[in-house]
Amino acid sequence: AQKVTQAQTEISVVEKEDVTLDCVYETRDTTYYLFWYKQPPSGELVFLIRRNSFDEQNEISGRYSWNFQKSTSSFNFTITASQVVDSAVYFCALSGLSGTYKYIFGTGTRLKVLA
Amino acid sequence: DAGVIQSPRHEVTEMGQEVTLRCKPISGHNSLFWYRQTMMRGLELLIYFNNNVPIDDSGMPEDRFSAKMPNASFSTLKIQPSEPRDSAVYFCASSPFQEKLFFGSGTQLSVL
Repeated sequence: AQKVTQAQTEISVVEKEDVTLDCVYETRDTTYYLFWYKQPPSGELVFLIRRNSFDEQNEISGRYSWNFQKSTSSFNFTITASQVVDSAVYFCALSGLSGTYKYIFGTGTRLKVLA
Repeated sequence: DAGVIQSPRHEVTEMGQEVTLRCKPISGHNSLFWYRQTMMRGLELLIYFNNNVPIDDSGMPEDRFSAKMPNASFSTLKIQPSEPRDSAVYFCASSPFQEKLFFGSGTQLSVL
């Protein structure tokens, strides 16, 4: 079975602090895809990143960076110098053959960035 | 491209009534997903279509829920009869196969 665990339910940080959101996944597939989505207070779901299981390179996009480690089945997301606009719920998701390629989402981490 | 279009944006109904939620995926996307979001259960996948064929409906809560995709440009999720515990935000999403999901704006359903 496929599973995504986001153990951090809610995190509060002060603006300009760095914050890491954890994502641990379970799958028996060798080929799979991992995703992060952001859901701001307005409610829409915004795509942040897609990573396939064969690409373990870390990725940086502005203040955002992602650390993919197959050895620990983790795909963590770090926001550097957080801003109030980063306040949102962040979801990690997994898709692969053993899950019939449906997208399984974690329960989300609510990030509050305080001014 | 207009994105994934869901209607209605808000639906308020009384227990026992039939509710139909509608979704128009992005043209060319061959996968369509219906999700339900609640505070208690997060984002739950209800059903997933590929090339208009239901692939996985294991998340459909019970027989009161049904979904159809009669063609590549339209899908419906129906609840009959509706119950207060069905109150949630229902999202439709589409994607090219195994690419990122494009979500609609969601339908906020309230069953009184």
